[in-house]
Amino acid sequence: QKEVEQDPGPLSVPEGAIVSLNCTYSNSAFQYFMWYRQYSRKGPELLMYTYSSGNKEDGRFTAQVDKSSKYISLFIRDSQPSDSATYLCAMKEITGGGNKLTFGTGTQLKVEL
Amino acid sequence: DAGVTQSPTHLIKTRGQQVTLRCSPKSGHDTVSWYQQALGQGPQFIFQYYEEEERQRGNFPDRFSGHQFPNYSSELNVNALLLGDSALYLCASRFSGLAGERNTGELFFGEGSRLTVL
Repeated sequence: QKEVEQDPGPLSVPEGAIVSLNCTYSNSAFQYFMWYRQYSRKGPELLMYTYSSGNKEDGRFTAQVDKSSKYISLFIRDSQPSDSATYLCAMKEITGGGNKLTFGTGTQLKVEL
Repeated sequence: DAGVTQSPTHLIKTRGQQVTLRCSPKSGHDTVSWYQQALGQGPQFIFQYYEEEERQRGNFPDRFSGHQFPNYSSELNVNALLLGDSALYLCASRFSGLAGERNTGELFFGEGSRLTVL
């Protein structure tokens, strides 16, 4: 079993829809939770990060973490064609303060006109 | 402000050869890590360099080695290439001065070096 599970999609939605992306994990030591967006043939760029449980909102994006269920979500409101990309969840243990992130496989999202 | 830069962007090698990939971190960053991203997969952590030493290592064989220079730039070397080493190799950087809860793990990634092994 992988430490982080993420549905690879592809997920296709109409413009303006609310998109829900999710990951589950098994490692209780994960404390930092991140969402990265990766356009084709580009490196990942950080969208959101959350420490421990709770919600965080930034513009059209909302990240939720439920540590009791080991489940994290990213919601995109009023989705735009420019949101079409692969969305990667990533997680990090607090111990050691290093750079090791554990990623999901990524969900490919397409927002259609 | 230049972000993370990597070179070369694309390269093709044959099995058994050796490859060196290069990375310059974002300005102000002093710690560099390398990730391997196979097609259709998420990035996998290879190792991290700080103060010119390897600090953390993922589950990769010794064929994967690296180096960090005094100017914080870094190289990734892969020896005895296998077909399965074909992937996008990503470099990521961070400023190490954030401690405790401020160490959010925010990494800035380059656009990667795409390696094809034939």
